Amino acid sequence: LAKTTQPISMDSYEGQEVNITCSHNNIATNDYITWYQQFPSQGPRFIIQGYKTKVTNEVASLFIPADRKSSTLSLPRVSLSDTAVYYCLVGDSGAGSYQLTFGKGTKLSVIP
Amino acid sequence: DSGVTQTPKHLITATGQRVTLRCSPRSGDLSVYWYQQSLDQGLQFLIQYYNGEERAKGNILERFSAQQFPDLHSELNLSSLELGDSALYFCASKPIVGAGLSSYTFGSGTRLTVV
Repeated sequence: LAKTTQPISMDSYEGQEVNITCSHNNIATNDYITWYQQFPSQGPRFIIQGYKTKVTNEVASLFIPADRKSSTLSLPRVSLSDTAVYYCLVGDSGAGSYQLTFGKGTKLSVIP
Repeated sequence: DSGVTQTPKHLITATGQRVTLRCSPRSGDLSVYWYQQSLDQGLQFLIQYYNGEERAKGNILERFSAQQFPDLHSELNLSSLELGDSALYFCASKPIVGAGLSSYTFGSGTRLTVV
């Protein structure tokens, strides 16, 4: 998996849009960008994945510029329940059965 | 419910003791991964099994061992426990090889407290 860099923590008020940026300068051609979310005392869960441009699902949007050296996870109108750690991972989506390597992630705290 | 079942949810034991954590993967998933998460620490990969065979080892102590049984459930054995082994232990499962970064499903974890 490629090395990634993301902010350690972020604070946001309820109702605001939150953008978490992840840097991955050494991303390879076959690599996908994947985000996991971990609530306190729970296991991580997959939330979104993309290769280029923009991906949107019911949870979040993922913006990937043309050079793919960074990506931005966007959470619209956050609520208290979005308080969690968000992990950015970059790797070949079709590769073998390797283990996920998690960094520290970004701890998002949503304030009432 | 993620489909990955971990038991027990909580475990309190004394130093020097041995415990076994159990994981039942999601139906059809052949790979099982074990992770350790200490307080305010990231998820540390311990070990991976695929269809009963060990595939990869991470930062797993010699006091720890694991296995995957024919029915694909896995057990993580922790022995000679120390206070520093107190952590959340997560199991994740994944279907066939090459299913991608998005296909990992984690259980809700076992919280181990060593006193």
